[in-house]
Amino acid sequence: DSGVTQTPKHLITATGQRVTLRCSPRSGDLSVYWYQQSLDQGLQFLIQYYNGEERAKGNILERFSAQQFPDLHSELNLSSLELGDSALYFCASSVGVGGGNQPQHFGDGTRLSIL
Amino acid sequence: SQKIEQNSEALNIQEGKTATLTCNYTNYSPAYLQWYRQDPGRGPVFLLLIRENEKEKRKERLKVTFDTTLKQSLFHITASQPADSATYLCALPTSGSARQLTFGSGTQLTVLP
Repeated sequence: DSGVTQTPKHLITATGQRVTLRCSPRSGDLSVYWYQQSLDQGLQFLIQYYNGEERAKGNILERFSAQQFPDLHSELNLSSLELGDSALYFCASSVGVGGGNQPQHFGDGTRLSIL
Repeated sequence: SQKIEQNSEALNIQEGKTATLTCNYTNYSPAYLQWYRQDPGRGPVFLLLIRENEKEKRKERLKVTFDTTLKQSLFHITASQPADSATYLCALPTSGSARQLTFGSGTQLTVLP
């Protein structure tokens, strides 16, 4: 058990809809990362928050947004959903601000299916 | 731009043998490199981190090497077991942004009984 909790585990919705994915980091971790994993793209970094502030941005679409709350949990909002957004979305956390010298601890993801 | 390549998408070996997985990278000189294990439908699990000045690192049956001249890391599992079957990912700090990790596409390892 990584200590990172993601909800919901599965989400099925239709094109054009909006969904919110939630992540609770491991106790004591201040950084939260969001990743998207699809069969043809591998694990793609979306965005990172550290102690409530955005710290790094990857290839995140403008339709996607995230935030980290004072209690350090994070939410990833996906809007105007398209079929291509179907994927596994992972949240990870680390102790500090991040970097190659820190392990990341992953949740078990939210599987998003767009019909 | 930074590129990470992991050897052949799938690797099958016999139980008890040593599995060797390769991670090659280009256009970058990372100070660290990490290896993760991912089981189907689960999140990646951190295994080992190696620094550029550490040529080799071990953890139980796992061994990682880091050759900054060849720009390559090798990941070894000795005395492999069917339970070692999983996808193994290498990850490096993203070029230009030390806070992010870029993951390779992974090598799917199957240990045959």
